[in-house]
Amino acid sequence: GAVVSQHPSWVICKSGTSVKIECRSLDFQATTMFWYRQFPKQSLMLMATSNEGSKATYEQGVEKDKFLINHASLTLSTLTVTSAHPEDSSFYICSAFLGGGDQPQHFGDGTRLSIL
Amino acid sequence: KNQVEQSPQSLIILEGKNCTLQCNYTVSPFSNLRWYKQDTGRGPVSLTIMTFSENTKSNGRYTATLDADTKQSSLHITASQLSDSASYICVVTLPNDYKLSFGAGTTVTVRA
Repeated sequence: GAVVSQHPSWVICKSGTSVKIECRSLDFQATTMFWYRQFPKQSLMLMATSNEGSKATYEQGVEKDKFLINHASLTLSTLTVTSAHPEDSSFYICSAFLGGGDQPQHFGDGTRLSIL
Repeated sequence: KNQVEQSPQSLIILEGKNCTLQCNYTVSPFSNLRWYKQDTGRGPVSLTIMTFSENTKSNGRYTATLDADTKQSSLHITASQLSDSASYICVVTLPNDYKLSFGAGTTVTVRA
């Protein structure tokens, strides 16, 4: 089946630093990639939709200058959390979408971000 | 208000027993309804998919049902195994859109 690789799986860093998370579709070209955030015992919350070669579309309430998304190719999207603070600590999950009504979004295994 | 509500929030069952998880949704019509399994610290994995017109779909010991009249779906796990311990998420795809509406999930714990 389709595989989406997310890296790193866990990162701990000091407040004020920037953190980059990579999302790669390993065996297919994804027309669209999504970035989600998940707090403990809560639903995945869509942060932004990213299409290759164009600017990401952010959901209401998500700061685009805080969460920078780059989608340079059909197999790679990156999320950079700039000047991270403890409240940014969360589980970030990406997914890749091949396209087509019955195709599922294929999820990465997530990145646990802890800001000290 | 969330468009997808799941119940129970959590449940504990003994290995070998069956259980049923519920999903009520308000999105109608929809493109498809999926059940995902999310292991702790991992991304969700698709278990079943049903379109608006389908009533049931099986994947091994997992059987999903859909009642479009009552806007309810269920996921039945048969002969549970320890590896079934996870969060099960009901997800509805909006029509003509790729965006997903997620339920909060039901956390299932299977004990020996």
